[in-house]
Amino acid sequence: DGGITQSPKYLFRKEGQNVTLSCEQNLNHDAMYWYRQDPGQGLRLIYYSQIVNDFQKGDIAEGYSVSREKKESFPLTVTSAQKNPTAFYLCASSIGSGDQFFGPGTRLTVL
Amino acid sequence: SQQGEEDPQALSIQEGENATMNCSYKTSINNLQWYRQNSGRGLVHLILIRSNEREKHSGRLRVTLDTSKKSSSLLITASRAADTASYFCATATFFTPSSSARQLTFGSGTQLTVLP
Repeated sequence: DGGITQSPKYLFRKEGQNVTLSCEQNLNHDAMYWYRQDPGQGLRLIYYSQIVNDFQKGDIAEGYSVSREKKESFPLTVTSAQKNPTAFYLCASSIGSGDQFFGPGTRLTVL
Repeated sequence: SQQGEEDPQALSIQEGENATMNCSYKTSINNLQWYRQNSGRGLVHLILIRSNEREKHSGRLRVTLDTSKKSSSLLITASRAADTASYFCATATFFTPSSSARQLTFGSGTQLTVLP
């Protein structure tokens, strides 16, 4: 099956811990994106990557970090510096400027 | 920053009726896209309309774009209970003049409930 996957589906974090959300795609897409969604709100861009080994900050990058060592993978780390990390996190990918395809999301809850 | 703003925030209709959602935005765009999201799930791309297009159809969906008013509308005809979801508009612009990818800026969505 071709597609974009995210894991885990649900994640619980204690305050002060770093956690890493996985995003993998086998669509051979060059560009990948991470968004955050809060209840009743639209998506906000955290980080994006247009090619391997390159990534740029989005609108709300503070407290997050990413890496893009492989074309297929774009993991997001939510660090302890992110003061309000409880949210729904969505990963997406695209061929250049084409349509973005979204993964199923990871719901992160801070205990 | 949120560029697109949907109106209404919530809409409840009977099955078979038409549903109209509106979206306004602030800056110039390359295109505008509409997405659907079922509760707790990822987004599904519905339809894209380019900045030089005024109307586009796809099945029961009709999208209009008025760049002079910086607004778009999504019409779902003959709605079904399965259409119940949140609908988002997203404006697309290039990150930089030389970038190959586009930034999507989402509105806060319209929650559509179709009653059987």
